[in-house]
Amino acid sequence: DGGITQSPKYLFRKEGQNVTLSCEQNLNHDAMYWYRQDPGQGLRLIYYSQIVNDFQKGDIAEGYSVSREKKESFPLTVTSAQKNPTAFYLCASGTGVGGELFFGEGSRLTVL
Amino acid sequence: AQTVTQSQPEMSVQEAETVTLSCTYDTSESDYYLFWYKQPPSRQMILVIRQEAYKQQNATENRFSVNFQKAAKSFSLKISDSQLGDAAMYFCAYRSSFPNYGGSQGNLIFGKGTKLSVKP
Repeated sequence: DGGITQSPKYLFRKEGQNVTLSCEQNLNHDAMYWYRQDPGQGLRLIYYSQIVNDFQKGDIAEGYSVSREKKESFPLTVTSAQKNPTAFYLCASGTGVGGELFFGEGSRLTVL
Repeated sequence: AQTVTQSQPEMSVQEAETVTLSCTYDTSESDYYLFWYKQPPSRQMILVIRQEAYKQQNATENRFSVNFQKAAKSFSLKISDSQLGDAAMYFCAYRSSFPNYGGSQGNLIFGKGTKLSVKP
């Protein structure tokens, strides 16, 4: 079945460690997005990519990094520079023009 | 820049009754999409309904319908015959039809959400 797969669903990290969240889609979508969700904040855009080998910062990119080496994959690295990384992270994909975005099931990151 | 506002942090409805969730947005664009997404406790984001701005007719999906008022920049969601499974966070979202306009690059812009409770 077509869809978006995020892994892991739950992740625990010690302070000072980098972690990478995986996002894979088989919907043949050009555009992919990473959102962060905190209670009472809605969803905020971290990074997005409209095409392979290109990506742009969103509203809250500090402390995060991404790559887009394949159309299907858009991993997000939460670096030690991110001051408050505990959150729920959602990956999404869509066509380049209009229409809805499709979401993965999310990854919950907790910093110990 | 576009913004989306949901003024009701929480709403409650009796099972089988009707509830309306409010959403307003701000944009200078004439062509765009509006969405309502549902996020149940599983936290999976599920598309409920979509509206294309150039279409005057309000979208309907079974028990879900919208009241789209383009001039007023209002996009409310009506849930009829509410069911226990409708309990969730509901997010209103905006997406430009032109990916390169204003640097939005086709991003979804979300409101902060409305938590809907359904009483049996």
